Amino acid sequence: RKEVEQDPGPFNVPEGATVAFNCTYSNSASQSFFWYRQDCRKEPKLLMSVYSSGNEDGRFTAQLNRASQYISLLIRDSKLSDSATYLCAVNRVQGAQKLVFGQGTRLTINP
Amino acid sequence: NAGVTQTPKFRVLKTGQSMTLLCAQDMNHEYMYWYRQDPGMGLRLIHYSVGEGTTAKGEVPDGYNVSRLKKQNFLLGLESAAPSQTSVYFCASGITQGGYTFGSGTRLTVV
Repeated sequence: RKEVEQDPGPFNVPEGATVAFNCTYSNSASQSFFWYRQDCRKEPKLLMSVYSSGNEDGRFTAQLNRASQYISLLIRDSKLSDSATYLCAVNRVQGAQKLVFGQGTRLTINP
Repeated sequence: NAGVTQTPKFRVLKTGQSMTLLCAQDMNHEYMYWYRQDPGMGLRLIHYSVGEGTTAKGEVPDGYNVSRLKKQNFLLGLESAAPSQTSVYFCASGITQGGYTFGSGTRLTVV
């Protein structure tokens, strides 16, 4: 099993729709979780951290489910500008602290 | 405040040639990382550093060397480039608990 797994998509949704992605992780001891956004031919940019209590930033909501070992990202009222690849990242517990990234989920918002 | 700066942005090498990729950060981070990103493979860690004068191997270190002589700089070297090293290279800095900041990337083609 991979340390961090995402459905690569692509997800094609109409503008205004709600879309959600999940990201599963293998190590139950992981403590740090993040969602990154990556535009085509650009670097990943931190979108939001994922806290145990969940967190919300405008139209974006991130949640952590420790029992099932996954994090989720919900985008409400999607905009054309939300089209991007969304990467999840989870800390590797063994050895020096490092983030392990999922392959990314490609999202296209259609007009 | 530039964040993380990578040079060069693009490079074409012939098989067997050598080159050095430079990463500079102005955020006073101790930790710095080099990743490569390939289609379908996600971000894979090549080498990382937990402080000035230290380096360590990541998941895919073969064919690469690194140096961290100054806290703000992390260099990635390819001694004898191979076509398999054609990729997009990202440098990042930061701490696991806070997420990483990425540079804009270097697109390397080895012919």
